[in-house]
Amino acid sequence: GENVEQHPSTLSVQEGDSAVIKCTYSDSASNYFPWYKQELGKGPQLIIDIRSNVGEKKDQRIAVTLNKTAKHFSLHITETQPEDSAVYFCAAKVGNEKLTFGTGTRLTIIP
Amino acid sequence: SAVISQKPSRDICQRGTSLTIQCQVDSQVTMMFWYRQQPGQSLTLIATANQGSEATYESGFVIDKFPISRPNLTFSTLTVSNMSPEDSSIYLCSAQGPGEKLFFGSGTQLSVL
Repeated sequence: GENVEQHPSTLSVQEGDSAVIKCTYSDSASNYFPWYKQELGKGPQLIIDIRSNVGEKKDQRIAVTLNKTAKHFSLHITETQPEDSAVYFCAAKVGNEKLTFGTGTRLTIIP
Repeated sequence: SAVISQKPSRDICQRGTSLTIQCQVDSQVTMMFWYRQQPGQSLTLIATANQGSEATYESGFVIDKFPISRPNLTFSTLTVSNMSPEDSSIYLCSAQGPGEKLFFGSGTQLSVL
């Protein structure tokens, strides 16, 4: 089955700087890659997703890039703000199979 | 996006008892799922809640321990039965909306003493 690895497990970034979280997946048939943000005491919130027919997608300060050849995808957050502090999860999915989640990245924005 | 209401938000239970968690979606959805998230860990799929039929359980999870109901396209329940301290965790309901997007409820924080 699908295996998703996520790095780093923790990341501290100065406010205003950029943050990058990377994930790799094992199944080349994966075609859907969402990213979730989870704040303390809350459920995961879908913040952006990308499909395998697209190489990059952007939504304001958040962007996701996908490299199908290398089987990795990344989340980029620019101009970070304190409210970006949270745990971020990547995930991958093959067709109608279940979502496989990465292990999470705890992002801390330093004021 | 689908809005998912989950309750209770937290509970403290005695070992040997059972707790039923309710999940209500604001629109009809085909797919509903239940996840477990242990402290500081990722999300583990417990089962897919099937409307009108038995849930589909993932490896390591059984119906006797985690019975699930799904009477219609907007509602599901998960029961954690005969609880032990090892069941202390966050339990999350989720629903699949248009375009395969998966949305989550706010979770139930369960502590078993």
